[in-house]
Amino acid sequence: GQSLEQPSEVTAVEGAIVQINCTYQTSGFYGLSWYQQHDGGAPTFLSYNALDGLEETGRFSSFLSRSDSYGYLLLQELQMKDSASYFCAVMGSGYALNFGKGTSLLVTP
Amino acid sequence: KAGVTQTPRYLIKTRGQQVTLSCSPISGHRSVSWYQQTPGQGLQFLFEYFSETQRNKGNFPGRFSGRQFSNSRSEMNVSTLELGDSALYLCASSLAGTAVIAEAFFGQGTRLTVV
Repeated sequence: GQSLEQPSEVTAVEGAIVQINCTYQTSGFYGLSWYQQHDGGAPTFLSYNALDGLEETGRFSSFLSRSDSYGYLLLQELQMKDSASYFCAVMGSGYALNFGKGTSLLVTP
Repeated sequence: KAGVTQTPRYLIKTRGQQVTLSCSPISGHRSVSWYQQTPGQGLQFLFEYFSETQRNKGNFPGRFSGRQFSNSRSEMNVSTLELGDSALYLCASSLAGTAVIAEAFFGQGTRLTVV
């Protein structure tokens, strides 16, 4: 089977940096993705890591360690609009993205 | 280009009824996946279709079924509705012709309420 663990809630101050961790167990592994979902909205793709290391896209970065079955999403220079739910997702065996239960990020002034 | 379109956006059904949800993927995308989203459970995978073939199915009862048409549009059906089926049903499309789906594009979802 497959399982993903990520914190349920994180709170951070505007302008700060926050890291959302994700650990996974999966049979077969192609890569780790991150999605953002605002209340009432559709999940939107943020990043994807297939290989170990850091991927940077603007204020967002994502890291993967395949040997540790671990990844994280790093959000820098937090803005109020970053308040949302963040999901890690694993592409394992089969043709499906398996999602974690999501981390609710609250950015406060 | 147009995004993923799901219809209807909202639906209220009575226990025991059946429901059909529709998803039109982004033009050119041949893979369509369906997810159920409930508070606290995240997104749970229902099934994935590619070129009219179901390639994978999640751990849901047989009351949940789907299909994909030759134009890549997909439908999912839930029969004998239960209160616990109340959820947001999300459809995602991608270009994937292989097992690697790095980026999936989601529709706004259909909010199903079973009373």
